[in-house]
Amino acid sequence: EVQLVESGGGLVQPGRSLRLSCAASGFTFDDYAMHWVRQAPGKGLEWVSGISWNSGSIGYADSVKGRFTISRDNAKNSLYLQMNSLRAEDTALYYCAKSSNSIMVTGYFDYWGQGTLVTVSS
Amino acid sequence: EIVLTQSPGTLSLSPGERATLSCRASQSVSSSYLAWYQQKPGQAPRLLIYGASSRATGIPDRFSGSGSGTDFTLTISRLEPEDFAVYYCQQYGSSPRWTFGQGTKVEIK
Repeated sequence: EVQLVESGGGLVQPGRSLRLSCAASGFTFDDYAMHWVRQAPGKGLEWVSGISWNSGSIGYADSVKGRFTISRDNAKNSLYLQMNSLRAEDTALYYCAKSSNSIMVTGYFDYWGQGTLVTVSS
Repeated sequence: EIVLTQSPGTLSLSPGERATLSCRASQSVSSSYLAWYQQKPGQAPRLLIYGASSRATGIPDRFSGSGSGTDFTLTISRLEPEDFAVYYCQQYGSSPRWTFGQGTKVEIK
């Protein structure tokens, strides 16, 4: 059974940093690209960042480019999101999602974690 | 960036009725790289349809997807009580940006 478990969320002041983690199990982690998707309270889904199986291809939404960094450790079956210079508008539930393929292009999201909540407020 | 517009915003129907949800893209979606997700309150999204018309594993056949180019449709042939939820379309052909529609809420009438 595929499982994705996010952690690392919490309350943080504007301008500070936070690192999210996603622990994966139930599939061969290094065969698939992975993504972060967020959902602000009461709002829709927004793709944040994605990374190919070997970290050779990485992409970011314009809203987070230059502030967030995605990475993965295939030996630990883990995905990460380093979030710097956080803003109030980054407040959201952050989901880890498994891609349907190994590369960045043309993959849909076939499994999702339950999310970790990030609240940016003073 | 491809913008996806879903309509209607809310669909009020009774169990047993047919639901038709629309997703329109601002430009053609490559090779029908269009997916649909269902999200219930307090839960993560769940993949329903990929490639515009292929059902994901375990998805009942009352869910069907159709369309190509810029116009796509999700149809639920007969609504079950567990189908009342929010539905999102997503395009995944315009890498490296994946975009979602704003969602359609299917509520009990």
